[in-house]
Amino acid sequence: KQEVTQIPAALSVPEGENLVLNCSFTDSAIYNLQWFRQDPGKGLTSLLLIQSSQREQTSGRLNASLDKSSGRSTLYIAASQPGDSATYLCAVGSGTYKYIFGTGTRLKVLA
Amino acid sequence: DAGVIQSPRHEVTEMGQEVTLRCKPISGHNSLFWYRQTMMRGLELLIYFNNNVPIDDSGMPEDRFSAKMPNASFSTLKIQPSEPRDSAVYFCATRPTSGRKSGGELFFGEGSRLTVL
Repeated sequence: KQEVTQIPAALSVPEGENLVLNCSFTDSAIYNLQWFRQDPGKGLTSLLLIQSSQREQTSGRLNASLDKSSGRSTLYIAASQPGDSATYLCAVGSGTYKYIFGTGTRLKVLA
Repeated sequence: DAGVIQSPRHEVTEMGQEVTLRCKPISGHNSLFWYRQTMMRGLELLIYFNNNVPIDDSGMPEDRFSAKMPNASFSTLKIQPSEPRDSAVYFCATRPTSGRKSGGELFFGEGSRLTVL
């Protein structure tokens, strides 16, 4: 059974820092992995989708990597800003329609 | 594109009442998911539709829950009768591809926050 873990559960950093969020999964037979951002009281906003055949994806200040053999994905945020404060979730695509979500990392970027 | 549209955004109701949540998927997306999010259990898949057909409803907690997708532009999630433990945020999500290993990107609505008193 696929299990997805995100550590740390919460993170507080000063503005301008580069930071890394982690997502670990137990079964390497995945279809894809997606990173989301969730603001309080809002829905999930898709940030990056990495297919199983890919190693990384980039969008602006965000870079996500995928290492299936080690069961890990990282989301790198460059030059963090207060507007980046949110909860970040990863979702592992473990079947044609099964997505296993992590419990998220709550990020606070201090001005 | 307006994205996935859900209504109502907030619903407060009394135990025993019927609740209907609505979802309008992104045009052209043929896969639709209903999820429930709680602090204790995170995001749970309730039901998955592909081309308007329910494929997997094993996550629907009880017979009190039902979902329909009468056409490609509309889906409903109904709870009858509602109970306090149904209080949660219910999300609709859609995806442009179905059943492919390369699997498309999931797009979520803003959610419907349900409070059952």
